[in-house]
Amino acid sequence: KAGVTQTPRYLIKTRGQQVTLSCSPISGHRSVSWYQQTPGQGLQFLFEYFSETQRNKGNFPGRFSGRQFSNSRSEMNVSTLELGDSALYLCASSPRTGGGNTIYFGEGSWLTVV
Amino acid sequence: GNSVTQMEGPVTLSEEAFLTINCTYTATGYPSLFWYVQYPGEGLQLLLKATKADDKGSNKGFEATYRKETTSFHLEKGSVQVSDSAVYFCALSGGETSGSRLTFGEGTQLTVNP
Repeated sequence: KAGVTQTPRYLIKTRGQQVTLSCSPISGHRSVSWYQQTPGQGLQFLFEYFSETQRNKGNFPGRFSGRQFSNSRSEMNVSTLELGDSALYLCASSPRTGGGNTIYFGEGSWLTVV
Repeated sequence: GNSVTQMEGPVTLSEEAFLTINCTYTATGYPSLFWYVQYPGEGLQLLLKATKADDKGSNKGFEATYRKETTSFHLEKGSVQVSDSAVYFCALSGGETSGSRLTFGEGTQLTVNP
């Protein structure tokens, strides 16, 4: 069974640009979440999607957005990139939403903003 | 709100030494507790989980017991190997947050020397 797949793995963007990251969850998983990992802030929750609806949102500005498609695949977008957006962006999936579900992570997308 | 506190790192051990990484949490209700491991340049891998009080999660020689009376979920391994060198994250879901949102601790860097 394939794991959580994220693309691209590495990318470099210029300040002010926008970026779209893609995530394919494990087959059969309907919940997809996104996290940002930085050395200073650690792992921070961005948002969760379940059945194409945003279930939860973390404390990030509106420049960070996401969506989920009918096949459970998800994308997140960051507009007007800032240097501080440089981070590892992790996608995670689980069969259902709710506490107690086992949550599986992808390898991440490394974003560098210059 | 939910929070997780891990022991400060980094931790350096010799091969075959005993490992303990402390984790305590704050949450209402009955959260689920997890340990994730992150190897250099990779995403997060689920190491073990426990969903109710007194549950013991175990995997690859690692163990952790859900102690509600002390709000703790300490990670232990009897004999570490060089290959266990990684960053370990304690996390919880449920409690005051809905959905599958994970709240992470700061992470503990473990280095095992031969």
